[in-house]
Amino acid sequence: EPEVTQTPSHQVTQMGQEVILRCVPISNHLYFYWYRQILGQKVEFLVSFYNNEISEKSEIFDDQFSVERPDGSNFTLKIRSTKLEDSAMYFCASSQSSGGFYNEQFFGPGTRLTVL
Amino acid sequence: AQSVSQHNHHVILSEAASLELGCNYSYGGTVNLFWYVQYPGQHLQLLLKYFSGDPLVKGIKGFEAEFIKSKFSFNLRKPSVQWSDTAEYFCAVNAAGGGADGLTFGKGTHLIIQP
Repeated sequence: EPEVTQTPSHQVTQMGQEVILRCVPISNHLYFYWYRQILGQKVEFLVSFYNNEISEKSEIFDDQFSVERPDGSNFTLKIRSTKLEDSAMYFCASSQSSGGFYNEQFFGPGTRLTVL
Repeated sequence: AQSVSQHNHHVILSEAASLELGCNYSYGGTVNLFWYVQYPGQHLQLLLKYFSGDPLVKGIKGFEAEFIKSKFSFNLRKPSVQWSDTAEYFCAVNAAGGGADGLTFGKGTHLIIQP
């Protein structure tokens, strides 16, 4: 069964450093998403992406964050200058469509980001 | 903006007991509703979803949920739980219609099934 994959599984970085989290969505999916889950808190939506541009973003997704689909398979989340409070599990998801029966979002296993 | 409320944060049941996990949402428009499960050490997986039609939806592993529009609820049920159902359960909602609308999740319910 096709899966969303994410790399790395765990990333440790120093405060102020840039990190890039990578995702490979399911191949025939058109909609891509990033979420985060701070330890002990709920999963929060960050951004959605369709047709090579941001479709929607939450108030968490400020200027420190950016997303890109650099080629036909990868979908990346960049945090320009990490802060301690960016420590969280980051999940990538993809869906075939945005509405109707095929709007199910398939989630990757997550990248645990630790900012020291 | 949507919000989702899950009433039970921790639930402990014995095997073969019946399960009902509560979920209420707040949103003024038409919604899609989901229950996701996260087994220990694994990623989020979809249990079931409602987008239109029959408000009683059946999912994988014997789970079902009923959408009651008048109560803004989408409670998850299973008549007889197994030890392997131990997991974190998340209710989620997004706006129906076009656009890549992100999911709004509840805080989750940690379910422990005792043998």
